Amino acid sequence: DGGITQSPKYLFRKEGQNVTLSCEQNLNHDAMYWYRQDPGQGLRLIYYSQIVNDFQKGDIAEGYSVSREKKESFPLTVTSAQKNPTAFYLCASSILDARTGELFFGEGSRLTVL
Amino acid sequence: KNQVEQSPQSLIILEGKNCTLQCNYTVSPFSNLRWYKQDTGRGPVSLTIMTFSENTKSNGRYTATLDADTKQSSLHITASQLSDSASYICVVSANYGGSQGNLIFGKGTKLSVKP
Repeated sequence: DGGITQSPKYLFRKEGQNVTLSCEQNLNHDAMYWYRQDPGQGLRLIYYSQIVNDFQKGDIAEGYSVSREKKESFPLTVTSAQKNPTAFYLCASSILDARTGELFFGEGSRLTVL
Repeated sequence: KNQVEQSPQSLIILEGKNCTLQCNYTVSPFSNLRWYKQDTGRGPVSLTIMTFSENTKSNGRYTATLDADTKQSSLHITASQLSDSASYICVVSANYGGSQGNLIFGKGTKLSVKP
């Protein structure tokens, strides 16, 4: 089945550690996105990529890093510089033009800092 | 400032009843408006996408309306089921920011359907 796969579903991290969240899609979409969701808040864009080996900062990129070495994959690293990393992280993809194209989301990864 | 406001924040209804969720936006230039359903702990799933010229769009028991003049949208759920319990998120796409666009997310309405 076509779709977006995020892993792990749940992740616990000690303060000071970096963690990487995986996102893989087989929809042949050019654009991929990472969003952060906090209780009572709208989704906020962390990073997005429209093409392999290129990505752009979103509204809250500080403390995060990404790579786009393959069209299918867009991993997100939450670094120790992220002051409040506990959140629900959502990966999404779309055809290149997200202004009109539907956004498809993964099932999310919940990160908890101990 | 581009904003999307949803009301109510939360809603409890009995199974079988209808309900309407509201979305007001101040986004310009407008490209389209989307409604997503998000089950607890899962990713959002698209219900409808409406462009400027569309007034109504249905997806099964879900019907979305759009009034581009007043910048308001509603999502009407007919004959609610327990499985409708979820958060419903309104998202407006602004027609700038290149092909990436600029998606402005509302905070969502949390719907609980009780037996």
